Amino acid sequence: NFMLTQPHSVSESPGKTVTISCTGSSGSIASNYVQWYQQRPGSAPTTVIFENNQRPSGVSDRFSGSIDSSSNSASLTISGLKTEDEADYYCQSYDSSNWVFGGGTKLTVL
Amino acid sequence: QVQLVESGGGVVQPGRSLRLSCTASGFIFSTYSFYWVRQPPGKGLEGVAVISFDGSNKYNADSVKGRFTISRDNSKNTVFLQMNSLRPEDTAVYYCVRDLWGGDPSCPFHWGQGTLVTVSS
Repeated sequence: NFMLTQPHSVSESPGKTVTISCTGSSGSIASNYVQWYQQRPGSAPTTVIFENNQRPSGVSDRFSGSIDSSSNSASLTISGLKTEDEADYYCQSYDSSNWVFGGGTKLTVL
Repeated sequence: QVQLVESGGGVVQPGRSLRLSCTASGFIFSTYSFYWVRQPPGKGLEGVAVISFDGSNKYNADSVKGRFTISRDNSKNTVFLQMNSLRPEDTAVYYCVRDLWGGDPSCPFHWGQGTLVTVSS
């Protein structure tokens, strides 16, 4: 079964840049779109990146997404970190009728 | 604006059934596909079921196949998740999610606030 693997946690200081990876277990991650969701404590997830690198209206341009076929991975990059970015982040993609989520990455901004 | 309101959660004994509803507003309901995604307490997200805009295509996660059924009533702007033979491991917040684009499922985008299902004796 297709799986997406994320680091369990990352931490960085305010103002810095952090990148969260999402690695596909098989096939080509570039074959299907990847979405990224942010979930703050006690709240429902919200979409911060869709279709690999598209940003919804209202989402800061500090958020960007990319695909690296050579490593079969997707990445979410957050620049100019703010304390409000502290949250769990999940990648999501699709394989053979299965909508798969990564295990989530807890971002700490300290 | 897009609004998704889940209901029907609660405490239920193992082996019993529960039906969740997701009532939508702010858009033309019949043109969009929907997803149910769950999150056990303190854990990550898991896709549970998907239904296409016209109800002709449905997909279930292996963990719920044969027990959960997704359906929709376009006349009531509502998506349902019928959950049978519930197990303690089905305990989770269940989110209703709408696709970004009209048509077949492609991009889970708009999330509801979720409803908590607790399976316990």
